[in-house]
Amino acid sequence: ETGVTQTPRHLVMGMTNKKSLKCEQHLGHNAMYWYKQSAKKPLELMFVYNFKEQTENNSVPSRFSPECPNSSHLFLHLHTLQPEDSALYLCASSHVYGRSSYEQYFGPGTRLTVT
Amino acid sequence: GIQVEQSPPDLILQEGANSTLRCNFSDSVNNLQWFHQNPWGQLINLFYIPSGTKQNGRLSATTVATERYSLLYISSSQTTDSGVYFCAVEMIKAAGNKLTFGGGTRVLVKP
Repeated sequence: ETGVTQTPRHLVMGMTNKKSLKCEQHLGHNAMYWYKQSAKKPLELMFVYNFKEQTENNSVPSRFSPECPNSSHLFLHLHTLQPEDSALYLCASSHVYGRSSYEQYFGPGTRLTVT
Repeated sequence: GIQVEQSPPDLILQEGANSTLRCNFSDSVNNLQWFHQNPWGQLINLFYIPSGTKQNGRLSATTVATERYSLLYISSSQTTDSGVYFCAVEMIKAAGNKLTFGGGTRVLVKP
């Protein structure tokens, strides 16, 4: 247990569906992150939230919509996805102080398949 | 952006062997972390090591920030050490808190 939970663990959705991924951290951190991990590719940072404010959007398509209602919860809303969006989606959290961040702790991930 | 290169890409070890994994990066960093990803996808933070040397059981890591590399040592490897090891860095010059990951070293420890 890393202190970061993600639901669901597995998700199969059609291209016209709308679904949401949920992440919760129990570590008292002030920053949360979404990453995408595709087969044979390095982890790609998608979004960063620092004190609930989005500080990074790494050129992610608008069919991915993040939401951070408080420092402990992070959502990723999905709509009209493409088959190439199938991947492992990982949430992480850390302490951030100024321009520096510290150890990141990851959730178990949601394995998404788009059919 | 910053480049992070890990070597070797793949490593097969006999149980009990020692090994060294390397991470090279192309710019000055204020944050360097090593992670282990198990076969089920869970990433575990092993070290936060922007400089210096740290040890945790059979694992240790050294970062030489001035020469832009870090090493992860695995001693007396066990089958549970199998998985992918990632190095990730945060550039000093970068705005925002953004870790860039290397491509990983896939390790298989055989009994």
